[in-house]
Amino acid sequence: QQNVQQSPESLIVPEGARTSLNCTFSDSASQYFWWYRQHSGKAPKALMSIFSNGEKEEGRFTIHLNKASLHFSLHIRDSQPSDSALYLCANNNAGAKLTFGGGTRLTVRP
Amino acid sequence: AQTIHQWPVAEIKAVGSPLSLGCTIKGKSSPNLYWYWQATGGTLQQLFYSITVGQVESVVQLNLSASRPKDDQFILSTEKLLLSHSGFYLCAWSLRDWAYEQYFGPGTRLTVL
Repeated sequence: QQNVQQSPESLIVPEGARTSLNCTFSDSASQYFWWYRQHSGKAPKALMSIFSNGEKEEGRFTIHLNKASLHFSLHIRDSQPSDSALYLCANNNAGAKLTFGGGTRLTVRP
Repeated sequence: AQTIHQWPVAEIKAVGSPLSLGCTIKGKSSPNLYWYWQATGGTLQQLFYSITVGQVESVVQLNLSASRPKDDQFILSTEKLLLSHSGFYLCAWSLRDWAYEQYFGPGTRLTVL
């Protein structure tokens, strides 16, 4: 059974900081990797995805996947108060079940 | 543009009472549909998914059931609520390929007393 672990559980950083969120997964056959962001009381929304080993950058956000080490990460450059949210990593293979990690609650202080 | 609507927005129900939550998706034909449960501030647990009308697969057993009576409608229900059913219920849709992102509805906040 797929197991996804996130660290840290919560994180407080000052505005402008570089933030790193981590995710480890157990199924080396996983093919699709996602980061979702959920602001308080709102629906989760996909932030970025990656389907092969390596790195992908979109604006201030970079995700990195290393299937050999079963590790997946999200990095935020120049963190803003509006980035404060619950961040959820998720992965799946060729099946419907998307498995989410426990989440990291990020707070960016102005 | 696709829209996803969930009803009701919030419910307060008694233990042992029945429940029915609904979800409709407009603007997308034959989507995959999903039900998720989220404890307060916690992770998302996928409950059910459906790839076509009348067909629903259970992912985890929580004394809940789901049905897809129409292409654009997904229903979550139970005849007898438990305290552990409290939480945030989210409906989501995706294109018919596991590589596509899931789009979530606004959710229903359920409190069981």
